[in-house]
Amino acid sequence: DIQLTQSPSFLSASVGVRVTITCRASQGISNYLAWYQQKPGKAPKVLIYAASTLQSGVPSRFSGSGSGTEFTLVISSLQPEDIATYYCQQLSSYPITFGPGTKVDIK
Amino acid sequence: EVQLVESGGDLVQPGGSLRLSCAVSGFTFSSSWMSWVRRAPGKGLEWVADIKQDGSDKFHVDSVRGRFTISRDNAKNSLFLQMSSLRAEDTAVYYCATKSRYAMDVWGQGTTVTVSS
Repeated sequence: DIQLTQSPSFLSASVGVRVTITCRASQGISNYLAWYQQKPGKAPKVLIYAASTLQSGVPSRFSGSGSGTEFTLVISSLQPEDIATYYCQQLSSYPITFGPGTKVDIK
Repeated sequence: EVQLVESGGDLVQPGGSLRLSCAVSGFTFSSSWMSWVRRAPGKGLEWVADIKQDGSDKFHVDSVRGRFTISRDNAKNSLFLQMSSLRAEDTAVYYCATKSRYAMDVWGQGTTVTVSS
């Protein structure tokens, strides 16, 4: 199985700050990586697919990069509505796996 | 507008069975792979199962294989998850989602399964 790790597991930052979340895969997954945002009591929402493609309707302050085993999600200017848990997910092979999540809070 | 609506979640005793449903509208259901994903209390997201457009291919996570079965009825635009031999660790919110090669694109609001005596 392909394991995904995320760092940090929690971050607290001020509004307007640039935030970076890293996802590492235990083996190469090309660009079969997606990023999701989940707010409390809500369903997950896809932000980025194919590692770097912004989902339609998602604000441009979100961006993704990477290939192979290392990936990043960047929020260029953190907003209050970005308070959520962020998950990476690999769809390269079964079983599909998610990272453990990064909880983002506003300082 | 694409909509997925899950139902069937309930409180069930350990060892019991439950069938979850996901009613789909707003897109061509028969053209899409579909997934079930769950989130247990205090834990992260866990993929549960996938099914191909025509139902000919199915994949399940090891922890549910042999106990859960994903299926679909394209004539009724519906996805199902038959769950049996339920355990406490199956307690979670269960989501259905459309699945493309690179992401799970659209999600339902979830249905809650609680396994407890």
